[in-house]
Amino acid sequence: AQTVTQSQPEMSVQEAETVTLSCTYDTSESDYYLFWYKQPPSRQMILVIRQEAYKQQNATENRFSVNFQKAAKSFSLKISDSQLGDAAMYFCAYLNYGQNFVFGPGTRLSVLP
Amino acid sequence: SQTIHQWPATLVQPVGSPLSLECTVEGTSNPNLYWYRQAAGRGLQLLFYSVGIGQISSEVPQNLSASRPQDRQFILSSKKLLLSDSGFYLCAWSPGTSGKETQYFGPGTRLLVL
Repeated sequence: AQTVTQSQPEMSVQEAETVTLSCTYDTSESDYYLFWYKQPPSRQMILVIRQEAYKQQNATENRFSVNFQKAAKSFSLKISDSQLGDAAMYFCAYLNYGQNFVFGPGTRLSVLP
Repeated sequence: SQTIHQWPATLVQPVGSPLSLECTVEGTSNPNLYWYRQAAGRGLQLLFYSVGIGQISSEVPQNLSASRPQDRQFILSSKKLLLSDSGFYLCAWSPGTSGKETQYFGPGTRLLVL
């Protein structure tokens, strides 16, 4: 079965600095999707970024970018110019075509003013 | 654009009482629908998913059930709540024409069973 690991339960970053959240996953499939979701204190899950495994180019969304290393099964999220509103739980998720999501345990990010 | 609604937003129920949580999606047809539960400080646990009206798959055996009476309506129910049913319940949808791609989540329902 696929698993998703987030080895950093908590992280902190100074406002305007850059932080990287780690995610590794285990799969024998070659075609799949990876996601980062953000859950602020309101607890609504918000999609941050998505990566398709067949695409070698790393996805970017404004201040958010990923470092996708397919061979290493690693999918880290980089947040640049961190803002107070970035403080949240961040969940990494894996999806194989036709299957259901597998979520990691989450990383709580604090942004320090 | 698509939107997803959940209600109620917060619910406090006594042990042994029934439960009905509702989720509706607007702006799309034939979505895949999902119910997740999140315990405090924990990740998401998939409870049920549905690929069409009347089609429900259960991921975790428990005293909860789900129904999909209409294309864009998904209901989570229980006949008798347990203390362990407390948590945050999230409904999500994904496009039904693809391989269950990106899921979009509703605002959630906080359930406290006393």
